[in-house]
Amino acid sequence: GAGVSQTPSNKVTEKGKYVELRCDPISGHTALYWYRQSLGQGPEFLIYFQGTGAADDSGLPNDRFFAVRPEGSVSTLKIQRTERGDSAVYLCASSGADKPETQYFGPGTRLLVL
Amino acid sequence: QKEVEQDPGPLSVPEGAIVSLNCTYSNSAFQYFMWYRQYSRKGPELLMYTYSSGNKEDGRFTAQVDKSSKYISLFIRDSQPSDSATYLCAPVKAAGNKLTFGGGTRVLVKP
Repeated sequence: GAGVSQTPSNKVTEKGKYVELRCDPISGHTALYWYRQSLGQGPEFLIYFQGTGAADDSGLPNDRFFAVRPEGSVSTLKIQRTERGDSAVYLCASSGADKPETQYFGPGTRLLVL
Repeated sequence: QKEVEQDPGPLSVPEGAIVSLNCTYSNSAFQYFMWYRQYSRKGPELLMYTYSSGNKEDGRFTAQVDKSSKYISLFIRDSQPSDSATYLCAPVKAAGNKLTFGGGTRVLVKP
């Protein structure tokens, strides 16, 4: 079956603008995770959903970042008033109830804030 | 200090050599120890994971955990140019919880 998909693959925006990044998890996966990876670094956790609810949002850096998963499948990460420091690769992962320890990652969305 | 530390490399080895990768961690609450491989401009992919102290083998890969010293290792035998990638260790407190990644070690296997 299809893996985790993310759109867009690349996004260039200007400082101060609003952006939305979309993640389509593997069908049937109940858990969905967002991570952010800066150049030369490992991914850093942002938020994870179990079903429709955010089970852990401790990694969101500030209130400009928000994520939703209204129907327990697709998720959208929303960034308001973007700053140059938000430039990074935003990775999404999902895992199923049968193997919760195994997170499958998408290819990421490369965000560049000018 | 970061919870998970990895030498960033790059680690350059000739084809066929054994690649040895290491991580240290500080949080004794970590229970699962994952190794991910990441090719340039791709998402990480899970290689293998261990739950307890000791060794776990999967083909050319061996993962080793020493919880007493909070030390994690990954060995790649008979390395191939296709193994050239960044390797990320990622311990986790419980199945399904967030991963805490190290910074990754870049490996280059030269033909």
